[in-house]
Amino acid sequence: GQQLNQSPQSMFIQEGEDVSMNCTSSSIFNTWLWYKQDPGEGPVLLIALYKAGELTSNGRLTAQFGITRKDSFLNISASIPSDVGIYFCAGRVSSGSARQLTFGSGTQLTVLP
Amino acid sequence: DVKVTQSSRYLVKRTGEKVFLECVQDMDHENMFWYRQDPGLGLRLIYFSYDVKMKEKGDIPEGYSVSREKKERFSLILESASTNQTSMYLCASSRRQGYNQPQHFGDGTRLSIL
Repeated sequence: GQQLNQSPQSMFIQEGEDVSMNCTSSSIFNTWLWYKQDPGEGPVLLIALYKAGELTSNGRLTAQFGITRKDSFLNISASIPSDVGIYFCAGRVSSGSARQLTFGSGTQLTVLP
Repeated sequence: DVKVTQSSRYLVKRTGEKVFLECVQDMDHENMFWYRQDPGLGLRLIYFSYDVKMKEKGDIPEGYSVSREKKERFSLILESASTNQTSMYLCASSRRQGYNQPQHFGDGTRLSIL
């Protein structure tokens, strides 16, 4: 079953503001992934994290693999209208199948002009 | 770029019908996955396959079966469709090498069972 807690569930922000969302788990993860899903489309990989403490950027997006290996966060700086969508975290549990991912329930982001 | 193609974007079927959802990937990936996505529940794994003719149950396999006759194609089968199987279905694939390979998704099939 699902083991990730993703928050917030939804966010309404003004264009130009920064955004932060996070995922936490009671289990230790060895991989964290962040995806974005546009309406009517499949999730697209944004950032992949493989080591505790790792901080990775992709344009205006920055994600970090928590030191405890039980959490990760995603920041979006200077939001724009096309940032609208659902953001999912996903991870592989250290003790689980090497093939399977566990997904958070998603953060719905709305950017107001 | 990885391309995962799902045969239908939208599908409407009737209760009791046998339904086939098809997925093809063009990157020679060993692993393929079927998820369903429902509001507030995120993505839930139905079945996955790590090789031709191999399959493993995910978290919610009841009412579904799968077929992997060729490496590039992974089919999801609803043996007798029911209204609670109305959902968005997503197919994904990944490479086998290394435990940390990310999954790449198709655009999804929105299935309605009437």
